[in-house]
Amino acid sequence: EAGVAQSPRYKIIEKRQSVAFWCNPISGHATLYWYQQILGQGPKLLIQFQNNGVVDDSQLPKDRFSAERLKGVDSTLKIQPAKLEDSAVYLCASSFKVGYGYTFGSGTRLTVV
Amino acid sequence: EDQVTQSPEALRLQEGESSSLNCSYTVSGLRGLFWYRQDPGKGPEFLFTLYSAGEEKEKERLKATLTKKESFLHITAPKPEDSATYLCAVQAEDYKLSFGAGTTVTVRA
Repeated sequence: EAGVAQSPRYKIIEKRQSVAFWCNPISGHATLYWYQQILGQGPKLLIQFQNNGVVDDSQLPKDRFSAERLKGVDSTLKIQPAKLEDSAVYLCASSFKVGYGYTFGSGTRLTVV
Repeated sequence: EDQVTQSPEALRLQEGESSSLNCSYTVSGLRGLFWYRQDPGKGPEFLFTLYSAGEEKEKERLKATLTKKESFLHITAPKPEDSATYLCAVQAEDYKLSFGAGTTVTVRA
């Protein structure tokens, strides 16, 4: 079984620029999550999708972050404009149903300078 | 608000020196407590889920236990390949996962 694919692996941008991350979940997994992991901290949920609908985006800074999951498969997370405090690893995870069988991707490490 | 506190932050062990990691939590309606292993540059890798107080699970040199307020991850006779950050997470009634900051374990040969 292929894992959760994420790209790019690394990204360095200047503050106020925009950036996008891509995630391809495990085939058949209806639930997709985006987490932010700041160095030295545990992952924090940003947004959760069930198929192509948003279930929870309560911790997503909506003034600068957006996410979509077209056709209930791949997902894109965008930051515009980026701030220094957005430097973190962005992890995508998927599960076959809500709350069960989470599998994480390797993440995208974002550095904002 | 659900809270997860892990201790210690870092643990340095000699190969073969057993030890325990602690995860204390407060959560509204615990559905499950998860342990993950995270290697540098990788995402968390699932180890165990515990569902009720008194439950224990084992995998190779790792053993996880659960009480009503905390969980322990025991590492017996660790090897250098056990070096990683171990994350604890609680799943609340709404299925949301809340993670602790992790314990970074370094095992020296």
